[in-house]
Amino acid sequence: QVQLQESGPGLVKPSETLSLSCSVSGGSFGSYYWTWIRQAPGQGLEWIGYVSRSGTTKHNPSLKGRVIISLDLSRNQVSLKLTSVTAADTAVYFCARGDWNYNFFDAWGQGALVTVSS
Amino acid sequence: QSVLTQPTSVSGAPGQRVIISCTGGPSNIGAGQDVHWYHQLPGKAPKLIIYVNSNRPSGVPDRFSGSRSGTSASLAIAGLQADDEGHYYCASFDLSLITSLFGGGTKLTVL
Repeated sequence: QVQLQESGPGLVKPSETLSLSCSVSGGSFGSYYWTWIRQAPGQGLEWIGYVSRSGTTKHNPSLKGRVIISLDLSRNQVSLKLTSVTAADTAVYFCARGDWNYNFFDAWGQGALVTVSS
Repeated sequence: QSVLTQPTSVSGAPGQRVIISCTGGPSNIGAGQDVHWYHQLPGKAPKLIIYVNSNRPSGVPDRFSGSRSGTSASLAIAGLQADDEGHYYCASFDLSLITSLFGGGTKLTVL
């Protein structure tokens, strides 16, 4: 049974870079892609982007190129960096496993709350 | 405003059946893109309950069913139980935006 666990600073200052890691255990990297999804307080879900085993990435255009997602197979970790953050980036950030063929997310981490504030 | 539109809330008494709709457009559901459904309890991660329009992952009761037609999809929950409460999100892929996207979410209250 695959398990995902997010970690990283819970507080980031405006204009700085948000950095999170997602540790993956109990599953294979090969047949899936690895995605980040966020949820602002009291709001719905927003897809941020994904990385594949081969390193291919795609991100939500609404985030205007501020997203960097990477994969470290040696450490079984997926990373997210979001640059030039503002208060609007305050959210719970989830990592999730995505199905290549049908784009559903069948395993999720518990989420990490990141607050952007000075 | 989400590209996939869901009702803000639905409610039903224990044992009743409710249906949650998800309306998309010609670049996502209408283009044949599959719809998936997630259930989220407060403070928890979403959980996949329907994938590829009508399939249930292992462990999801058959009280949950999904369908897709035209530019819309729906989730039906029969025999409502108290622990069905929470938020339900539909999701699909948009061929114009080239992104996965979610509906705005529907809060289910069991009366």
